[in-house]
Order: sequence, then C-alpha cells, then structure tokens
Amino acid sequence: LAKTTQPISMDSYEGQEVNITCSHNNIATNDYITWYQQFPSQGPRFIIQGYKTKVTNEVASLFIPADRKSSTLSLPRVSLSDTAVYYCLVALGGGYNKLIFGAGTRLAVHP
Amino acid sequence: NAGVTQTPKFQVLKTGQSMTLQCAQDMNHNSMYWYRQDPGMGLRLIYYSASEGTTDKGEVPNGYNVSRLNKREFSLRLESAAPSQTSVYFCASSDGPDQPQHFGDGTRLSIL
Repeated sequence: LAKTTQPISMDSYEGQEVNITCSHNNIATNDYITWYQQFPSQGPRFIIQGYKTKVTNEVASLFIPADRKSSTLSLPRVSLSDTAVYYCLVALGGGYNKLIFGAGTRLAVHP
Repeated sequence: NAGVTQTPKFQVLKTGQSMTLQCAQDMNHNSMYWYRQDPGMGLRLIYYSASEGTTDKGEVPNGYNVSRLNKREFSLRLESAAPSQTSVYFCASSDGPDQPQHFGDGTRLSIL
C-alpha cells in the first residue's frame, strides 16, 4: 500500500536553506510529486512539481533521486513568512483516486 | 480572480442534521475534489469529479454524497452528520490528477 512519510516538524533560522524530505514507496516512473504550502486558516497553495531529477522555480527546488523513493523540497534563504506546514502529494499511476498526501511538516522559522 | 470559493466558512451542526457544502471555481478546470483535513493526517480525498457529469469515490467516501452541478460547481452533502465528521473540508480544482490543484480556504465543520 502506497504511503508518504514526512517529518512532523522542523526548525530553522532566517537566511538558512531548509530541506524537507518526503519518503514515498511504490511510485511509478511517471508519477508526479507535488509540494504545497499551507498557512493557518487557508487552503494549501502549490509550490512546485516534478517527476524526475531536479526542478527549480522562483521559490523552491525539488530533488528526486534516481530510485524515486523520496523527494526533497529545498527552500533557499527562508524568512519568517515561510513558517507554515508543507505537504507532499504523490499522484500514483496518474489516477484520481490514488492522490496520496503526506501528513505535513510544520516548519518554524526563527529570527 | 476569485479562484476556488467555498461556502460557508464555518458551521456547527447537531448529530443527525444534514448539510450541503458549496464549492465553485472560476478557472475553467475540468476536475474538482473534496478533501477533509484532520490533525496529524494530512488531507484525505472524499470524492472527486474528473469532468463535468462524472463523480467517483476517493479514500474516505462513507457518509458523504456529491453533485457536480456544472463545470464550475461541486457540492458535498452530509445526509446525517456524525461527530466523526467534525473536520475542515477543502475543495480543490485542477486540469487533471497530475496537474497542480487550486484550493479554497476551507469550511470548518463541527458536529455536536
């Protein structure tokens, strides 16, 4: 049974790079991995998506090793406003009913 | 541009009461979803609609029904609310299961 696992919480300081890893077994070659950010009393917001190697956009990078058993969200130079909960999502087999969210990682950024 | 709009934002029900949560999107997306979010469990898919005119069960459909009223609107109904359905409910839309989803800000539902 597919499952995604993330650390429950992480702490960091302003200006540091933060890496959050999501472990996901049983994913296929073309299964996408997506990361979302959620602030209190708001819905999750899309950050980045990929299915192999490395993807970078203006706010984050996503690293996916060759074995695809995990993925790492990298946030460069975090600020206080990056304090939020981060979720990984795997879409297994491209199927709607195989959308598997991790339980979320609560990131606290300190001054 | 409103994105995904959910109503109501908050609701308190008594056990056995019924209620419909409303969701509308203005991004012309084909697919819409209903999730529930409980502490420590992330988001779990209740029902989804791959396209207008179709609906299917997700991971936790028991106790819920849905209606895809048109391309914009997707409603979630609790026929006989139970305390175990106390949760935050999120609606989302996208162009497909592999595409980024856009979420509403949720409905916080308490059942006494």
